Amino acid sequence: QKEVEQNSGPLSVPEGAIASLNCTYSDRGSQSFFWYRQYSGKSPELIMFIYSNGDKEDGRFTAQLNKASQYVSLLIRDSQPSDSATYLCAVHGGGNKLTFGTGTQLKVEL
Amino acid sequence: DAGITQSPRHKVTETGTPVTLRCHQTENHRYMYWYRQDPGHGLRLIHYSYGVKDTDKGEVSDGYSVSRSKTEDFLLTLESATSSQTSVYFCAISGTGVGQETQYFGPGTRLLVL
Repeated sequence: QKEVEQNSGPLSVPEGAIASLNCTYSDRGSQSFFWYRQYSGKSPELIMFIYSNGDKEDGRFTAQLNKASQYVSLLIRDSQPSDSATYLCAVHGGGNKLTFGTGTQLKVEL
Repeated sequence: DAGITQSPRHKVTETGTPVTLRCHQTENHRYMYWYRQDPGHGLRLIHYSYGVKDTDKGEVSDGYSVSRSKTEDFLLTLESATSSQTSVYFCAISGTGVGQETQYFGPGTRLLVL
């Protein structure tokens, strides 16, 4: 069974700091990787996706992928209170289906 | 949530009654999905569709059925609701082809089975 693992948190960081969210996956055949943000009581919304090893930056967000280690991470620079949410990692291994982790709760403190 | 609506948004029902949830999209995407989200379990796939009248089971399909008679509509039916089906249900859509596997989610339906 394909698995995606995330630390449930909560991860607490001070405002302005870098938040680092991590995800590991079991299926070596996975091709693409996604980060979603979910505010309490709302639906998941896409932050970014990454296909290739290395870093991908989009504004304050950087996704990092290491396929050899089966590891994907999301860095949030200059964290703001509005970044407080649950972050879901998702992995695509084929068949147009995604496998989701259970999410990491991030709290950005003033 | 743009282009994806779910109805109803909230529903309270009694054990043993059938319940149908509707997902409607205006994006003309081929793939549609139904998930449930529960504390500690994350998002779990119930059923998905890869075209009109083409559906397949996900990891938690027992007690659920689906139908897709039009590209834009995907219905989820709880045949005889049980308390264990109390959850938040999300519909999602995606396209086809490389780079099209990104899923976009509807606003969700909160279902309480008493």
